[in-house]
Amino acid sequence: AQRVTQPEKLLSVFKGAPVELKCNYSYSGSPELFWYVQYSRQRLQLLLRHISRESIKGFTADLNKGETSFHLKKPFAQEEDSAMYYCALSGHSGGSNYKLTFGKGTLLTVNP
Amino acid sequence: KAGVTQTPRYLIKTRGQQVTLSCSPISGHRSVSWYQQTPGQGLQFLFEYFSETQRNKGNFPGRFSGRQFSNSRSEMNVSTLELGDSALYLCASSRTSPYTDTQYFGPGTRLTVL
Repeated sequence: AQRVTQPEKLLSVFKGAPVELKCNYSYSGSPELFWYVQYSRQRLQLLLRHISRESIKGFTADLNKGETSFHLKKPFAQEEDSAMYYCALSGHSGGSNYKLTFGKGTLLTVNP
Repeated sequence: KAGVTQTPRYLIKTRGQQVTLSCSPISGHRSVSWYQQTPGQGLQFLFEYFSETQRNKGNFPGRFSGRQFSNSRSEMNVSTLELGDSALYLCASSRTSPYTDTQYFGPGTRLTVL
């Protein structure tokens, strides 16, 4: 079974402060991990995926297989980062078979 | 290019009825996935269609079904509605696979079961 845990439902930081949104996963194979974001009144959208190792809007996430974590980080939070963030895991079971599992989400509020 | 569209945006049904939701993917996208979003359970994967075939399926009862047409448009059907089926149903499309390609989400259909 695969599981994604986001331990914080709510996270509040001040503008300019570092932010870290936690994500832990449980999966026996080699996972594909994602962060999705939903801004107020907007659609859910992909923020980043671990295999591309890119930085989007200043956010980065490193896959730590030893700790089974994929925390999302940004050194200096901006007010426009306020949104709901979802961590997701895709368990690839060969060929084109997969199952995408989402965490319950963390609502990030960046205060001025 | 146009994004993923879903119709209708809002639905109110009563217990025992059935409902059909529609999703039009981005042009050129052949994979369509469906998700249920509720406050209690969060986002849960329902199923994924590719080339008119159900390729992956989540852990939902058989009352939830879907299909995909040759133009990649997809429909989702829920029969014998229960109060617990009240949720936001999201559709997402990707070029060939949400595993390898970016998924683009629609605005969702808000289903209320009374």
